Amino acid sequence: AAGVIQSPRHLIKEKRETATLKCYPIPRHDTVYWYQQGPGQDPQFLISFYEKMQSDKGSIPDRFSAQQFSDYHSELNMSSLELGDSALYFCASSLRGQGTYEQYFGPGTRLTVT
Amino acid sequence: QKEVEQNSGPLSVPEGAIASLNCTYSDRVSQSFFWYRQYSGKSPELIMSIYSNGDKEDGRFTAQLNKASQYVSLLIRDSQPSDSATYLCAVIGRDDKIIFGKGTRLHILP
Repeated sequence: AAGVIQSPRHLIKEKRETATLKCYPIPRHDTVYWYQQGPGQDPQFLISFYEKMQSDKGSIPDRFSAQQFSDYHSELNMSSLELGDSALYFCASSLRGQGTYEQYFGPGTRLTVT
Repeated sequence: QKEVEQNSGPLSVPEGAIASLNCTYSDRVSQSFFWYRQYSGKSPELIMSIYSNGDKEDGRFTAQLNKASQYVSLLIRDSQPSDSATYLCAVIGRDDKIIFGKGTRLHILP
């Protein structure tokens, strides 16, 4: 079965640079979630989109923005990167429109800020 | 009070024994509950979902839900070394947000 695809898998950036992470949800899933996970931490919810509209916002810094496109893929844009942004970034998708909240995670993007 | 609480562990269980992982939640209106397994450096993998009181079995895994006690558990029978991972309990709250516990590290002793 098709899974959530994320790209790139690894990314190294310097402080104050920008980064763009991409997520391709499971086909026919209508909701995308973004999470940040630091070492030894549980996933921290950043933002979600349902049917291409922002549906919920968590602890996403103002330096970050995201959107979901007409083909349902989503991009997380991160600007003015800081050392503390180094983390695993996961995207998850679900079929929320049918009342199921099971989220399926992608493999993640490991961002390292130097 | 944290919304979803788990014992951080590590929980050490001999190979072949039953591992029991517990989770409590604070929001009484929660209706959907999930267990994720996460290996170090990998993404969380959904292994069980449960929506009604009682037990739900899937292979070696059994999820148990008690809404009156606001308690959900995961039993792993015939534990294998490959079960060594962090197990995240997740609950859908009143505003449809998924809330993760901080996870329990499980270590299966060969």
